[in-house]
Amino acid sequence: GAGVSQSPSNKVTEKGKDVELRCDPISGHTALYWYRQSLGQGLEFLIYFQGNSAPDKSGLPSDRFSAERTGGSVSTLTIQRTQQEDSAVYLCASSRGTGAKTQYFGPGTRLLVL
Amino acid sequence: SQQGEEDPQALSIQEGENATMNCSYKTSINNLQWYRQNSGRGLVHLILIRSNEREKHSGRLRVTLDTSKKSSSLLITASRAADTASYFCATDMIKAAGNKLTFGGGTRVLVKP
Repeated sequence: GAGVSQSPSNKVTEKGKDVELRCDPISGHTALYWYRQSLGQGLEFLIYFQGNSAPDKSGLPSDRFSAERTGGSVSTLTIQRTQQEDSAVYLCASSRGTGAKTQYFGPGTRLLVL
Repeated sequence: SQQGEEDPQALSIQEGENATMNCSYKTSINNLQWYRQNSGRGLVHLILIRSNEREKHSGRLRVTLDTSKKSSSLLITASRAADTASYFCATDMIKAAGNKLTFGGGTRVLVKP
């Protein structure tokens, strides 16, 4: 079956603009994760969704970052008033649920803030 | 700060040689996983080892886990040029809800033909 897909693949934006990144998880996976990978910080957890439970937002770096997951499937990560330090690869992953340990990653969105 | 630290940061070997990389972590874990990443894009899951396991094999991969030392190693035997990638360990901490992963800094492996 299809894997996790993310769009866009690449995004270049100007400082101060808002961006939306999209993630389509594997069908039937109830858990969805966002991670960020940047040169200085490595791979960092951002936010986690599990079914209809309240998301775990503990990894979001600032209130400019938000995410939602509609209908328990597609998720969008929104970054408002982007800053240059937001430049990174944003990776989405999904898994069958909290009991399933293996996370399946999408190809990522490479964000460059000029 | 990251839960895991990996060493070496980079490794260059000839095809056919074995590659060994290590990961250390700080807090108690449910399990530890190794992922591979090509060209800075999506991660591919390689192997998972549970906290009550000491060694696990998958094809040319061998993973060990020493919970007393809070460390793990990944061995790739008979390496191939296609094994060139970055390798990350990731831990799923006992007190963390939802299996969110904490990654090490990664080891960049170059396998020369």
